Amino acid sequence: KAGVTQTPRYLIKTRGQQVTLSCSPISGHRSVSWYQQTPGQGLQFLFEYFSETQRNKGNFPGRFSGRQFSNSRSEMNVSTLELGDSALYLCASSLGTPDEAFFGQGTRLTVV
Amino acid sequence: AQSVTQLDSQVPVFEEAPVELRCNYSSSVSVYLFWYVQYPNQGLQLLLKYLSGSTLVKGINGFEAEFNKSQTSFHLRKPSVHISDTAEYFCAVSRYGGATNKLIFGTGTLLAVQP
Repeated sequence: KAGVTQTPRYLIKTRGQQVTLSCSPISGHRSVSWYQQTPGQGLQFLFEYFSETQRNKGNFPGRFSGRQFSNSRSEMNVSTLELGDSALYLCASSLGTPDEAFFGQGTRLTVV
Repeated sequence: AQSVTQLDSQVPVFEEAPVELRCNYSSSVSVYLFWYVQYPNQGLQLLLKYLSGSTLVKGINGFEAEFNKSQTSFHLRKPSVHISDTAEYFCAVSRYGGATNKLIFGTGTLLAVQP
């Protein structure tokens, strides 16, 4: 079966702009989580959506937001980009119970 | 709150030698435990998980881990490594029984297998 698909794979944006990243989970999976990976902070949880509802949120500023659609696809948005937002953004999907999370290949965002 | 500590940032090892990657966690509640592997420019792939039951868990690619509740550890082992095992390994926990799949990750251990 198809895995988790994240688009785009690479993105270069200018400071102050906004960006939208997309994640298509595995078919049937209702839970989608987002993580930010940087060399300095490691892997940090951004937020989790289940059946279109945000059910958990990490410690990130309000510039980071997300949503989930009825087909379980999810998007995350970062507004007013800062240099420090440069990172690999990973999406993970799961069936919804504490179980194996399947990760996409990530979107590499570079802010210049 | 939960936290995960991976004390070794890098572990060099020769091919065909055994290896152990250490993971300790802290939590006031019961947790599920996971090991993930990340190859360069890739996402994370699950190696193995402990949800309940036997404390010795076997995963893919010949890896295994043992859950030790008294020592709050979940060390990853492989009896004989290959060059292809060179990657970054992450230990993670999630809250047992919680209505969330949120994972708390350790800082990762780079396994560098040398010929």
